[in-house]
Amino acid sequence: RKEVEQDPGPFNVPEGATVAFNCTYSNSASQSFFWYRQDCRKEPKLLMSVYSSGNEDGRFTAQLNRASQYISLLIRDSKLSDSATYLCVVNEERNYQLIWGAGTKLIIKP
Amino acid sequence: EAQVTQNPRYLITVTGKKLTVTCSQNMNHEYMSWYRQDPGLGLRQIYYSMNVEVTDKGDVPEGYKVSRKEKRNFPLILESPSPNQTSLYFCASRAGGPEAFFGQGTRLTVV
Repeated sequence: RKEVEQDPGPFNVPEGATVAFNCTYSNSASQSFFWYRQDCRKEPKLLMSVYSSGNEDGRFTAQLNRASQYISLLIRDSKLSDSATYLCVVNEERNYQLIWGAGTKLIIKP
Repeated sequence: EAQVTQNPRYLITVTGKKLTVTCSQNMNHEYMSWYRQDPGLGLRQIYYSMNVEVTDKGDVPEGYKVSRKEKRNFPLILESPSPNQTSLYFCASRAGGPEAFFGQGTRLTVV
């Protein structure tokens, strides 16, 4: 079983719609969680951290469910520019490692 | 401007011909790492370094070497490249927190 799992997609979503995807992690001792965004053939960039109480950044909302060991990302009013691959990342602070999911591809269509 | 610089961006080479991909960061980060990214597999860590002269294997270190003689540089060395090392490679650096800063990537093809 992979340590961090994501549905690879692609999710094909019309512009303006709301889309959500999850990421599950296997290590219950994981401490911190993040979403990165990666545009085609580009480097990943930090999108947002995920806090226990949930957090919002504009149209993006991230949530953590420790009991079920998953994090989620919700995008409201999706834009064409949101088309990208979204990578779930778990920080295992005990050994200072970032564990990466394989990514979920999102395609926003006009 | 804070950045991580990788070179070259694109490289086509032949099996067995030693190559080095350079990585340099100007943010004084202690932690640097190399990843390869293949379709469906996501980012897999090859090697990482927590400081000068401190390096350790990641998940897929076979066929690769690294060195960390200076804080800013972390080259990736392929002593005898093989076709299964054809991939997209990223160097990344970070300070104590979770935000990793990536280079623009090196697309390597080994024929």
